[in-house]
Amino acid sequence: ETGVTQTPRHLVMGMTNKKSLKCEQHLGHNAMYWYKQSAKKPLELMFVYSLEERVENNSVPSRFSPECPNSSHLFLHLHTLQPEDSALYLCASSQDPGGPTDTQYFGPGTRLTVL
Amino acid sequence: AQTVTQSQPEMSVQEAETVTLSCTYDTSESDYYLFWYKQPPSRQMILVIRQEAYKQQNATENRFSVNFQKAAKSFSLKISDSQLGDAAMYFCAYRSDVQGGSEKLVFGKGTKLTVNP
Repeated sequence: ETGVTQTPRHLVMGMTNKKSLKCEQHLGHNAMYWYKQSAKKPLELMFVYSLEERVENNSVPSRFSPECPNSSHLFLHLHTLQPEDSALYLCASSQDPGGPTDTQYFGPGTRLTVL
Repeated sequence: AQTVTQSQPEMSVQEAETVTLSCTYDTSESDYYLFWYKQPPSRQMILVIRQEAYKQQNATENRFSVNFQKAAKSFSLKISDSQLGDAAMYFCAYRSDVQGGSEKLVFGKGTKLTVNP
């Protein structure tokens, strides 16, 4: 098992709800990532934080709002989502983002269902 | 933009046999990294093997090895002596070595591997 944890593991929410996904890495890494995994589609990178600064926002709708208060924690705040946002949301972390030996380690994901 | 293609949505193999999963990619870059990740059912995605494009030697990790053909932009994964625990989704991924874009992993759609006893 990797040292990246995610809570909750499952979440069902209505389109008017506000919820947050949490990710925590225990590996001492400097970068954290949010990915979206939908059925029949490749994993899509959503956000990248390096040393707590956002370095990538992959054209994600504003109803997804990331927050990285420190290098160990990453949140994804959700509001007024659509049914097509239902997916597995994966968090990852890495030690040396962009470096030659960098490898991303993934959490177990949060299975999100939007009704 | 780079793309990664896994042309086999599903594969199956008999226990103890060998299976090869295909991956091709499209890039104009000369320096990059390639990865195979494994995602077992309801479990975390883990790194299986990685390859640096500048290395001619194919990477190996125990029963897992790759056939990296840079000119053909091909990066296949061979699993030898398949075990029941190898059953999973396998994802091929590409990472650029270009400044400013090298944190990003580009994934293929995955291949579901079934191991039959």
